[in-house]
Amino acid sequence: EIVMTQSPATLSVSPGERATLSCRASQSVSSNLAWYQQKPGQAPRLLSYGAYTRATGIPARFSGSGSGTEFTLTISSLQSEDFAVYYCQQYNNWPLTFGGGTKVEIK
Amino acid sequence: EVQLEESGGGLVQPGRSLRLSCAASGFTFDDYAMHWVRQAPGKGLEWVSGISWNSGNIGYADSVRGRFTISRDNAKTSLYLQMNSLRAEDTALYYCAKVLPMILVSGAFDIWGQGTMVTVSS
Repeated sequence: EIVMTQSPATLSVSPGERATLSCRASQSVSSNLAWYQQKPGQAPRLLSYGAYTRATGIPARFSGSGSGTEFTLTISSLQSEDFAVYYCQQYNNWPLTFGGGTKVEIK
Repeated sequence: EVQLEESGGGLVQPGRSLRLSCAASGFTFDDYAMHWVRQAPGKGLEWVSGISWNSGNIGYADSVRGRFTISRDNAKTSLYLQMNSLRAEDTALYYCAKVLPMILVSGAFDIWGQGTMVTVSS
């Protein structure tokens, strides 16, 4: 099983600042990596897939990068609606696995 | 509108069974693989099971293999999860999710339902 490790667990950021979230895979997943955003009481929402392709309707301030075992989600200028929990997920191998999540909170 | 709606959750005693359903609408259901993902209260996301468009390729997490069975009925545009020998650790909100790329069994999940809660307790 591929283990996905996200860091940090919690990120405190002021509105308008940049946020950088990391995701590391225990073995290569090529570019088969997705990012999701989840707000309290809501289902996860797909932000990006293929490591860097933004999903439909996702603002350009969200950008994904990386390949192999190291991935990053960058939110260039945090808006109030961006405070949430973010998960990475690999779909290169079964079982599919998610990271433990990074909570982005208001500083 | 593309939509997934789960049902069938509830309170069940350990060792008993439950069958979850997911009704799909707004897209060509039999073009896409479908998956189940669960989330225990206050915890992260855990993949449970997935099934290809034609049911030819099926996979399970180790934690549920041998107890859960995924299936689909393309004529009814519905996905199912038969859960047997339920344990307290199966308590979670169960989501069904659609895979983004057509035909492939794995991929990012672009559409999610709102989930159905399963509570396993005596």
